[in-house]
Amino acid sequence: KAGVTQTPRYLIKTRGQQVTLSCSPISGHRSVSWYQQTPGQGLQFLFEYFSETQRNKGNFPGRFSGRQFSNSRSEMNVSTLELGDSALYLCASSLEGSGLFVAEAFFGQGTRLTVV
Amino acid sequence: AQTVTQSQPEMSVQEAETVTLSCTYDTSENNYYLFWYKQPPSRQMILVIRQEAYKQQNATENRFSVNFQKAAKSFSLKISDSQLGDTAMYFCALIGANSKLTFGKGITLSVRP
Repeated sequence: KAGVTQTPRYLIKTRGQQVTLSCSPISGHRSVSWYQQTPGQGLQFLFEYFSETQRNKGNFPGRFSGRQFSNSRSEMNVSTLELGDSALYLCASSLEGSGLFVAEAFFGQGTRLTVV
Repeated sequence: AQTVTQSQPEMSVQEAETVTLSCTYDTSENNYYLFWYKQPPSRQMILVIRQEAYKQQNATENRFSVNFQKAAKSFSLKISDSQLGDTAMYFCALIGANSKLTFGKGITLSVRP
């Protein structure tokens, strides 16, 4: 069974540009979550999608957005990039849990975004 | 709000010895899961072990076991017979009804040959 696939693995962008990152979940997984990892802030939750709907959102500005397609693949977009957006962006997919919450998350290898 | 605290930034252990990584958390929910994730230099986050809050029995996965103290909101990871491949960053995490994983800051574990 293929794991979570994130593309691209590395990205360099200039301040003010926008970027789109992609995540293909494990087959059969319907929930996709995104996390930002930086040395200073650690791992922070961005948002979670389930059946093409955003189910939860973290405390990030509106420049960060996402979507999920009918095949559960997800994209996240960051507009008007700032230097502080440089980070490792991790995607995780999960089966729907017991109705209360998502079961264990399987992570991709991440996209390393550098903003210059 | 959920919080997860890992107060030790780094630890070192001799190969074949045992090491314990500490984690405390806070949540107002009754139903939640706790996890330990490992992140090696390859950056892939790998699930090491998980504990369901309503289960009193401590989870065990081969050389990895936890000490879950619900009343104290403590969730430590014990690694027995440490191996060089255990060298990585370890994150304690919690998930509740909001489907959001909350991570601690992580601890860098180095296994010395």
